[in-house]
Amino acid sequence: DVKVTQSSRYLVKRTGEKVFLECVQDMDHENMFWYRQDPGLGLRLIYFSYDVKMKEKGDIPEGYSVSREKKERFSLILESASTNQTSMYLCASRTQGMGNTIYFGEGSWLTVV
Amino acid sequence: GEDVEQSLFLSVREGDSSVINCTYTDSSSTYLYWYKQEPGAGLQLLTYIFSNMDMKQDQRLTVLLNKKDKHLSLRIADTQTGDSAIYFCAESNPRNGGSQGNLIFGKGTKLSVKP
Repeated sequence: DVKVTQSSRYLVKRTGEKVFLECVQDMDHENMFWYRQDPGLGLRLIYFSYDVKMKEKGDIPEGYSVSREKKERFSLILESASTNQTSMYLCASRTQGMGNTIYFGEGSWLTVV
Repeated sequence: GEDVEQSLFLSVREGDSSVINCTYTDSSSTYLYWYKQEPGAGLQLLTYIFSNMDMKQDQRLTVLLNKKDKHLSLRIADTQTGDSAIYFCAESNPRNGGSQGNLIFGKGTKLSVKP
């Protein structure tokens, strides 16, 4: 079975802190994604990566950066956390090719106080 | 631009059928998906349909696709309390995110099943 693991399920951080959200997949997938999910807004794509060291902005990249140094790991970075970044963050991965399923991690609940 | 619309709430009684509807705007979408999210969890794939099909059935789930109207539906037969969750419709399009094909999600329909 494909496994997408997000290292932290629940985090509480202070405004201005640097935050790292880590995601690891074990199926050698080329593509990895970071979404945030907010009530009434659904899932919004922050960044995605289709190869090591490659990254593309999604719909809401402001305030975030990403790192993909190894194929299996995709990190989301909040350089200076703000309260409006309180949200559920979902990592996902898929292999290349149309129709291939996206697999999601369990999510990371981040609260910024 | 691409947009996926679905109603936000649906309430049914246990044992009834549930029908969750979705409309999308990009006619070049090649795959359409239904994902389920249980409380506090990530999304899991329920089923998907290729755009050259008009129906797909998998046990209690039936997906209907009307490509002309860009309308997708998910029917759950004999709905159980364990089906209570948020259901997301999503479309896959090679123009999103280059050749790798990102998914565009609807906002999700929260299904409540009353005993």
